[in-house]
Amino acid sequence: EVQLVESGGDLVQPGGSLRLSCVASGFSFSIYSMNWVRQAPGKGLEWISYISSSGSSIYYADSVRGRFTVSRDNAKNLLYLQMNSLRAEDTAVYYCARDSHHPLPSGGITIYFDSWGQGTLATVSS
Amino acid sequence: DIQMTQSPSSLSGSAGDRVTITCRASQPISSHLSWYQQKPGTSPKLLIYASSILLTGVPSRFSGSGSGTDFTLTISSLQPEDFATYYCQQTYSPPWTFGQGTKVEI
Repeated sequence: EVQLVESGGDLVQPGGSLRLSCVASGFSFSIYSMNWVRQAPGKGLEWISYISSSGSSIYYADSVRGRFTVSRDNAKNLLYLQMNSLRAEDTAVYYCARDSHHPLPSGGITIYFDSWGQGTLATVSS
Repeated sequence: DIQMTQSPSSLSGSAGDRVTITCRASQPISSHLSWYQQKPGTSPKLLIYASSILLTGVPSRFSGSGSGTDFTLTISSLQPEDFATYYCQQTYSPPWTFGQGTKVEI
């Protein structure tokens, strides 16, 4: 069974840092790309970061670029999100999500997030 | 960035109703469109990917269609367990943006 378990969420002051972790089990972690998605209290979903299976390709949302860093340790089945210079608007539940691919009849490959963790809450407040 | 706009933002329905949710992309995204269901206090769950492919195990009352800029999620006969918030997401180009969500209520 595919499992993703996030941890590391906490209460932190504005300007502070947190490192979130996501441990994967039940699948070959090293061959899957991964993502971080967050959800502010009472709000919708916001994709914030992607990392390819090898870690060689990384994307960020504009809202976190330059402050957040995604990384992974394939030997330990771990995904990380280092969050620096935190702001009140970063308060959210943070989910890790596995990326899967499917070929389209029209050509190309589409991706979708087929497994999600339960989330970890990061609160930024003084 | 590609903007995803869902309508309606919320809807009320009864068991047995046919429900349609629309998602519009700000530019063509081919079929790079997924639908997720989220119930309160839980993580999102994938329902449909590539616009119309039902994830294994998802009830057949759910269906998706569309290509380009206009997409729909249809629930053919609403069941009590379907009351939730539904999100579309484009994965045509990063950032992989979500719609704002559609809350399906009784």
